[in-house]
Amino acid sequence: AQTVTQSQPEMSVQEAETVTLSCTYDTSESDYYLFWYKQPPSRQMILVIRQEAYKQQNATENRFSVNFQKAAKSFSLKISDSQLGDAAMYFCAYRSADGTSGTYKYIFGTGTRLKVLA
Amino acid sequence: NAGVMQNPRHLVRRRGQEARLRCSPMKGHSHVYWYRQLPEEGLKFMVYLQKENIIDESGMPKERFSAEFPKEGPSILRIQQVVRGDSAAYFCASSPPAGNYGYTFGSGTRLTVV
Repeated sequence: AQTVTQSQPEMSVQEAETVTLSCTYDTSESDYYLFWYKQPPSRQMILVIRQEAYKQQNATENRFSVNFQKAAKSFSLKISDSQLGDAAMYFCAYRSADGTSGTYKYIFGTGTRLKVLA
Repeated sequence: NAGVMQNPRHLVRRRGQEARLRCSPMKGHSHVYWYRQLPEEGLKFMVYLQKENIIDESGMPKERFSAEFPKEGPSILRIQQVVRGDSAAYFCASSPPAGNYGYTFGSGTRLTVV
């Protein structure tokens, strides 16, 4: 069974600085998707970035980028030029690419709470 | 184009009562997923449905919990005879078939059992 581990319960970053959130996962599959979701106090789950395992190029969305190391099963999120609005819980998630099993369920990590200091 | 709509946003039930949580997927989305989030934890998969079909219910407790996604109307997550341990945030998400671009989540229903 797949597992997702986020080993940093909480992280802090100064406004305008850069922070990296860690995520590791375990799977025997070769093709899958990885996601980072942001959950602000409003509780809404917001997709931040996605990565397809068969793509070697790291995904980037504006100030958000990932460092995807497939062999190491690592998928970290880098937030550049941190803003106060980035303060939230961040969840890493895994999804199998194989829909033949009939399911597209996600496996979530336990989350990292990011605090942004003014 | 409205997003995933969940209601109610907050629900308070006494022990032993029934809780009904509703989810209307995004327009054009035929796949619905329910997740539960306990305090300070990540989301745990419960069930995956398509119209009139339960595809994967491997995360559903064996008793008291049921889900449906009828041909017409919203998806319903039903919890019978609620207990304090059912208190959690329940999230619904939807996707088109083969949701490779990530789910769209609703805002969740926070269930409090008193």
